[in-house]
Amino acid sequence: QKEVEQDPGPLSVPEGAIVSLNCTYSNSAFQYFMWYRQYSRKGPELLMYTYSSGNKEDGRFTAQVDKSSKYISLFIRDSQPSDSATYLCAMSFNSGGYQKVTFGTGTKLQVIP
Amino acid sequence: NAGVTQTPKFQVLKTGQSMTLQCAQDMNHEYMSWYRQDPGMGLRLIHYSVGAGITDQGEVPNGYNVSRSTTEDFPLRLLSAAPSQTSVYFCASSFTSGGAGNTGELFFGEGSRLTVL
Repeated sequence: QKEVEQDPGPLSVPEGAIVSLNCTYSNSAFQYFMWYRQYSRKGPELLMYTYSSGNKEDGRFTAQVDKSSKYISLFIRDSQPSDSATYLCAMSFNSGGYQKVTFGTGTKLQVIP
Repeated sequence: NAGVTQTPKFQVLKTGQSMTLQCAQDMNHEYMSWYRQDPGMGLRLIHYSVGAGITDQGEVPNGYNVSRSTTEDFPLRLLSAAPSQTSVYFCASSFTSGGAGNTGELFFGEGSRLTVL
């Protein structure tokens, strides 16, 4: 079983829809929970992160962490065609002085105008 | 700002050939790493380095070699290319400090697309 599981999609939604992306994990040591966005033929870029359980909002994006269920989510409100990308969840913990990062496999999202 | 620069962006090799993928960062990051990204497999860590002169293996190190002589550069060498090494390769760097607020955010290059025939 992988440490981090993510539904690969693809996910296709109409413009303006609410999108929900999810990951589950098995390692209780994870401290930071991140979402990266990767546009086609580009490298991933950090979108947002949360520390421990709770919600964090940034514009149309909300990240949610439930450590008791080992489940994280990213919600996108009023989705736009420019949100079309692959979204990778990532989680990290301190290992020997650096943050060890584990990625999910990514969910490909297409927002149709 | 250059960030993380990878070269070449595209490369076609024949089985058995060797080559080096170059990676340079200008953010003074101590941590550098190489990933490969394949459909359905996500990002898999090949090798990483926590500072000049220090390297270690990741999840899929076989067939690859690395060295870290400077903080800025972290080349990845394919010793004898195989079709199974056809992939997109990403170099990434970050701060190593495990202090509060350091998520381990990785800064990625734009990728090097390698095809082995």
